[in-house]
Amino acid sequence: QVQLVESGGGVVQPGRSLRLSCAASGLVFSTYAMQWVRQAPGKGLEWVALISFNGGNDYYADSVKGRVTISRDNSKNTLYLQMNNLRTEDSAVYYCATDRDDYWGQGTLVTVSS
Amino acid sequence: DIQMTQSPSAMSASVGDRVTITCRASQGIRNYLAWFQQKPGKAPKRLINAASNLQSGVPSRFSGGGSGTEFTLTITSLQPEDFATYYCLQYNSYPLTFGGGTKVEIK
Repeated sequence: QVQLVESGGGVVQPGRSLRLSCAASGLVFSTYAMQWVRQAPGKGLEWVALISFNGGNDYYADSVKGRVTISRDNSKNTLYLQMNNLRTEDSAVYYCATDRDDYWGQGTLVTVSS
Repeated sequence: DIQMTQSPSAMSASVGDRVTITCRASQGIRNYLAWFQQKPGKAPKRLINAASNLQSGVPSRFSGGGSGTEFTLTITSLQPEDFATYYCLQYNSYPLTFGGGTKVEIK
């Protein structure tokens, strides 16, 4: 069955960096556009970024543009989210998800706090 | 950017009730709208895409409608497992944007 497993979350100080990973299995990863969606504690869903199936195109929410980079390694079936200059408002559960077919990971929690 | 305004933000309903949630887009998005259901501590689950296309395995009591700027999600005969938070998502243009969510609670 399809599995998306996020990792890399944790507690980090404001201004620091963090890289999230999403390991995919059970699907032909290289044929799926992939995205990150986040949810701050007690808040709604916020779309963060999307990358095309081959990595040739990427798109970002205004709230993270310039601080965040989405990337992928199709040889490793892995999606990444590099987050720099983190702010307290970036604290959230980060989900990776496919663009189609509605596959989601279980989420990884990022807490930005001094 | 396209803003998605969802209403109501919360509602109380009883099992068997008919429930309608509305999503308004700040500009036309054709039918590029999806509806998601999320239960506490779980990842969202897509119910509908293309405004009215029910996803495989989703009960037929869920239906979606609308196009352009006004969209609805209707649940006929609310069931206990339907108490959750619902979100719309526009995917007409980047950045993609979610509505603020509608929490459906038990009356």
